[in-house]
Amino acid sequence: IAGITQAPTSQILAAGRRMTLRCTQDMRHNAMYWYRQDLGLGLRLIHYSNTAGTTGKGEVPDGYSVSRANTDDFPLTLASAVPSQTSVYFCASSARQGTAYNEQFFGPGTRLTVL
Amino acid sequence: AQSVAQPEDQVNVAEGNPLTVKCTYSVSGNPYLFWYVQYPNRGLQFLLKYITGDNLVKGSYGFEAEFNKSQTSFHLKKPSALVSDSALYFCAVRDGSNTGKLIFGQGTTLQVKP
Repeated sequence: IAGITQAPTSQILAAGRRMTLRCTQDMRHNAMYWYRQDLGLGLRLIHYSNTAGTTGKGEVPDGYSVSRANTDDFPLTLASAVPSQTSVYFCASSARQGTAYNEQFFGPGTRLTVL
Repeated sequence: AQSVAQPEDQVNVAEGNPLTVKCTYSVSGNPYLFWYVQYPNRGLQFLLKYITGDNLVKGSYGFEAEFNKSQTSFHLKKPSALVSDSALYFCAVRDGSNTGKLIFGQGTTLQVKP
């Protein structure tokens, strides 16, 4: 079934540890995104990628890094986790047609707790 | 700067009654507007979008939204609510850059009671 997968589903992490959240899509979408969801704040964009080989910063990029080596994968790395990074993380993708972008499709999320 | 506001944290409606979830936006240029729904412990699901054309947009699960340019609103509506519509609803607007990034409202919890 086409869609977006994320791993792990949930994780408890000690502060200071490094963590990579994985995201894979099989829809051949050009663009991919990482959001964090916090109660009362909605979804906030962390990083995005319009196409393989390019990335950009979103609204809350500090403490996170991404890479886009190919079309399908868009991992998010926390180099040294802090408790304020406790959140639910969603990966999304969208197709691009010329300069227009279609709606985004979301993965099931990763619940991360940093102690 | 682009922004989206959902003025109600929660909307309560009885099953069978019409529902409205409000959204207002602020953008420079033409707005590209979206509604998403999130069920507990799930990712967001796309409901509908407004890009251009008819101000009344029809989407999934019987939902529709009305674009009102003068009031800068994009309210989500359904003529007859179901208990299964109970979920968290997000309005979003494209941020106006040539990227496709979305700016989300803070979300509105819809509670439909039998």
